[in-house]
Amino acid sequence: DAGVTQSPTHLIKTRGQQVTLRCSPISGHKSVSWYQQVLGQGPQFIFQYYEKEERGRGNFPDRFSARQFPNYSSELNVNALLLGDSALYLCASSSQGDGYTFGSGTRLTVV
Amino acid sequence: AQSVAQPEDQVNVAEGNPLTVKCTYSVSGNPYLFWYVQYPNRGLQFLLKYITGDNLVKGSYGFEAEFNKSQTSFHLKKPSALVSDSALYFCAVRDAGDSNYQLIWGAGTKLIIKP
Repeated sequence: DAGVTQSPTHLIKTRGQQVTLRCSPISGHKSVSWYQQVLGQGPQFIFQYYEKEERGRGNFPDRFSARQFPNYSSELNVNALLLGDSALYLCASSSQGDGYTFGSGTRLTVV
Repeated sequence: AQSVAQPEDQVNVAEGNPLTVKCTYSVSGNPYLFWYVQYPNRGLQFLLKYITGDNLVKGSYGFEAEFNKSQTSFHLKKPSALVSDSALYFCAVRDAGDSNYQLIWGAGTKLIIKP
């Protein structure tokens, strides 16, 4: 079975632009969570989706949005990018919330 | 409020010696506890978890952790460290009663194993 796949692996954006990050969970996993990890810090929870519904949202501005598709893949969108949005964005796949498998992440650099 | 503390920013151990990376937590309900390892410019790799059952949990690469409810701790241990264990280690907790599956993370501990 393939693990959690995230795309792209790296990207560079300019301040004010918009970005879309993608995640495909492990087959059979219906829950996808997104985390932001700034260099030197632990991950911070952004969103969790289960069966295409938003189940939780962390303390992030409305510029951050996400959705989950019928095949349980997910997209994270960030509008009006700021320099402070530069981070590693991690996607986690879970079946019952008692185990989480992470993708390798998308490294976003905002210049 | 839920929280995780990893009191040591860095732990230095000689190869072959035992290692311990500390973690304490705070949740209102029953905890689900996790340890992950992160290598430079990589995602998070699962090491072990405590959900229920035996307080001593064995995981990947020879690591183990002991759940101590009275001390609200979940310290990561390994009997004999390898240079390849050098990495960043994160402890995370989830409240079992929390429906949003949110993990709360510690700030991470950098483990350095010296030959």
